Amino acid sequence: GIQVEQSPPDLILQEGANSTLRCNFSDSVNNLQWFHQNPWGQLINLFYIPSGTKQNGRLSATTVATERYSLLYISSSQTTDSGVYFCAVEHNFGNEKLTFGTGTRLTIIP
Amino acid sequence: DVKVTQSSRYLVKRTGEKVFLECVQDMDHENMFWYRQDPGLGLRLIYFSYDVKMKEKGDIPEGYSVSREKKERFSLILESASTNQTSMYLCASSPRYRDYGYTFGSGTRLTVV
Repeated sequence: GIQVEQSPPDLILQEGANSTLRCNFSDSVNNLQWFHQNPWGQLINLFYIPSGTKQNGRLSATTVATERYSLLYISSSQTTDSGVYFCAVEHNFGNEKLTFGTGTRLTIIP
Repeated sequence: DVKVTQSSRYLVKRTGEKVFLECVQDMDHENMFWYRQDPGLGLRLIYFSYDVKMKEKGDIPEGYSVSREKKERFSLILESASTNQTSMYLCASSPRYRDYGYTFGSGTRLTVV
């Protein structure tokens, strides 16, 4: 099956800092999503981004499908950004099931 | 907003019991999914469903079954609970054939003793 690797596995930053999280995948994809899991376990969909660039407030994401990677940018980090960020991809067209990476744990220190 | 509701936040069951985990979504989504999340293993797909009465095995279906009698409800069944099924169970839904992401429920943390 498709492999999804995220880096770095852990990231500790001071409040106000910027960060870039990376997701590499081993084959072509039809769907790529970024999620944030908060400390209470709730997974929130941040972006549906199989290709191109999207922005939502302080967050933005870019997927370069031909080179098999995606980046999630967080600017001016806040403590509420802490948690685990997951990248997930859909490999087989029409299948619509996602394979998740192992996540990046982000900790924002006040 | 789409809501995906899981019936229990925490559940403790005994080994050998039959366990039902319920998931309900309110936005008429065709697709529904059950994942389990374990430390070091990430999220793994157990079963998914594209429509009423349809089901497909995911990556780790052993020891589980599912039921989808109504479009809004997707149930995960542990036929005979075992301690290695202690985990966080997450339900998700999404519309079919549209460029829209998954919506997850808040999870059920199941402990089998």
